[in-house]
Amino acid sequence: AQSVTQPDIHITVSEGASLELRCNYSYGATPYLFWYVQSPGQGLQLLLKYFSGDTLVQGIKGFEAEFKRSQSSFNLRKPSVHWSDAAEYFCAVGASSNTGKLIFGQGTTLQVKP
Amino acid sequence: DVKVTQSSRYLVKRTGEKVFLECVQDMDHENMFWYRQDPGLGLRLIYFSYDVKMKEKGDIPEGYSVSREKKERFSLILESASTNQTSMYLCASSGGGQGARFRQPQHFGDGTRLSIL
Repeated sequence: AQSVTQPDIHITVSEGASLELRCNYSYGATPYLFWYVQSPGQGLQLLLKYFSGDTLVQGIKGFEAEFKRSQSSFNLRKPSVHWSDAAEYFCAVGASSNTGKLIFGQGTTLQVKP
Repeated sequence: DVKVTQSSRYLVKRTGEKVFLECVQDMDHENMFWYRQDPGLGLRLIYFSYDVKMKEKGDIPEGYSVSREKKERFSLILESASTNQTSMYLCASSGGGQGARFRQPQHFGDGTRLSIL
């Protein structure tokens, strides 16, 4: 069965430091992968998506993610974190059943220290 | 930009009440979804729909029903609210018909925080 794992429930980084949030997926074919961000009290906002082609994907707010098929990973990165990046981040994969369902990871909460 | 609007940000109801959560999208999307979000459990899919008057059960449909009478509107109904349905409810929509749905990102509303007393 398809699944998405975000190994880190909570991460704390200092403002200005680099960030990497991990995401591993389980899927037989080429996956359709997404990263979302959720600020406190808000809905989810799409950061970036990967369908095919270049394995390094650029998103909004200075985020990027790299698809590594050999590691079944789609890690999210940002070179320099801002205090406004504090939020919860969700990785998701498009379900193979063509229903439009997304399989979400459990989420990683990012705290940014001044 | 896609706009998904949920009718209430906060809602307080009593056990046994019938509760309606409304969601409207303005992008003519075929597909609409209802999730609940609880700490430590992530997002769980309740119901979804990819056409008017059509609905499919998600992972946790018990205690809920849905209605989609118009393409832009998808309602979640708690038939008889219980305290274990206190949660954040998120509505989402996506485009794409047969053969293309799974490639499409979902666009989310701001959520309804529902408390059942």
